[in-house]
Amino acid sequence: GNSVTQMEGPVTLSEEAFLTINCTYTATGYPSLFWYVQYPGEGLQLLLKATKADDKGSNKGFEATYRKETTSFHLEKGSVQVSDSAVYFCALSPDMNYGGSQGNLIFGKGTKLSVKP
Amino acid sequence: DTGVSQDPRHKITKRGQNVTFRCDPISEHNRLYWYRQTLGQGPEFLTYFQNEAQLEKSRLLSDRFSAERPKGSFSTLEIQRTEQGDSAMYLCASSFDGDTQYFGPGTRLTVL
Repeated sequence: GNSVTQMEGPVTLSEEAFLTINCTYTATGYPSLFWYVQYPGEGLQLLLKATKADDKGSNKGFEATYRKETTSFHLEKGSVQVSDSAVYFCALSPDMNYGGSQGNLIFGKGTKLSVKP
Repeated sequence: DTGVSQDPRHKITKRGQNVTFRCDPISEHNRLYWYRQTLGQGPEFLTYFQNEAQLEKSRLLSDRFSAERPKGSFSTLEIQRTEQGDSAMYLCASSFDGDTQYFGPGTRLTVL
């Protein structure tokens, strides 16, 4: 079945450090891939997405590249800020051409990031 | 448009009571989704609607759970005879067709 695995947290970094949060997936075909972020006390916000292999999603200095060969969608940022402290969720939307549901986003467990000044 | 809204934001109830949550999607979105998120986990899909039709239900949605979207706009999620295991954050999301899902702030349910 479809699943998402992301690195366990918490991740603690100093301001301006480089961030990588690993995400790998299991799915047939070409799912769409997403990173959502949840700031303390708030709902999930879409951070970036990629809908086909080799696509790069980017937003607010964050990037992730859809790697079909390694079934990965790792999140990176060159220089984190204290305001980036949040929980980050990797998610996939299954490929409808392989029987995927149109409604079912599948999430990883989330990775909590804390950035210290 | 202010995005997806949910009401209430917090609900505390006693075991055995019924609760109902409301979700108002982004106005032009025809799809509405419900998810459940427990502590330390990612959201898990419960059900979704296209307009007023409920098109898919997860196995997580037991017989005690029912969702409606009577006019294709807002939706309600009712839990009957609540159990302590129902304690979770209930998230609503909406989208236009199968495009990106936008989430509301959630309703946190605590069952005592």
